[in-house]
Amino acid sequence: NAGVTQTPKFQVLKTGQSMTLQCAQDMNHEYMSWYRQDPGMGLRLIHYSVGAGITDQGEVPNGYNVSRSTTEDFPLRLLSAAPSQTSVYFCASSYGARDNEQFFGPGTRLTVL
Amino acid sequence: DAKTTQPNSMESNEEEPVHLPCNHSTISGTDYIHWYRQLPSQGPEYVIHGLTSNVNNRMASLAIAEDRKSSTLILHRATLRDAAVYYCILRAYNNNDMRFGAGTRLTVKP
Repeated sequence: NAGVTQTPKFQVLKTGQSMTLQCAQDMNHEYMSWYRQDPGMGLRLIHYSVGAGITDQGEVPNGYNVSRSTTEDFPLRLLSAAPSQTSVYFCASSYGARDNEQFFGPGTRLTVL
Repeated sequence: DAKTTQPNSMESNEEEPVHLPCNHSTISGTDYIHWYRQLPSQGPEYVIHGLTSNVNNRMASLAIAEDRKSSTLILHRATLRDAAVYYCILRAYNNNDMRFGAGTRLTVKP
């Protein structure tokens, strides 16, 4: 199993550009989520999904959209990038929303100029 | 939301035990105590979790105070590969959100 994979590893955007961060898992996990981590801080939840077709907002959802059309994929879209969105983004998955062990991807480092 | 308090940093010598404390005085009865760690330039990694009783697994032990207002993650023999930021997180059984604090940065000296 590849586990949780994220692409790209690094990305530089200009203010106002849009892009999609990709996340995929091959463990047949129902629950997937996106976090952001700013320098020197812990992770904050952006959006999550408890299954295909179901998404919900986390702690810091503004400026981001998600969709979940398949169990495997959970892309995160930045609609109009802002410098405040410069961060490292992590995708995570687990068997269920209540599962105790979440598996995290390696992260995408995004810089918005 | 119940919060956790951890020291910013700790140091340990290689092959010695490490006790990482966490205070959570406002914990509720449905909150599980989770520990994750994050090695440099990687995503977080699950370490252990518990509710009331002490827990052991291949990575670590979790000691939970009787009143549940504090807990301690125990690494029995620290190695250089254990150098990481350790996060203590409270998570309600019906809550999808894990609130990460700043964690404790563990340095292991050879």
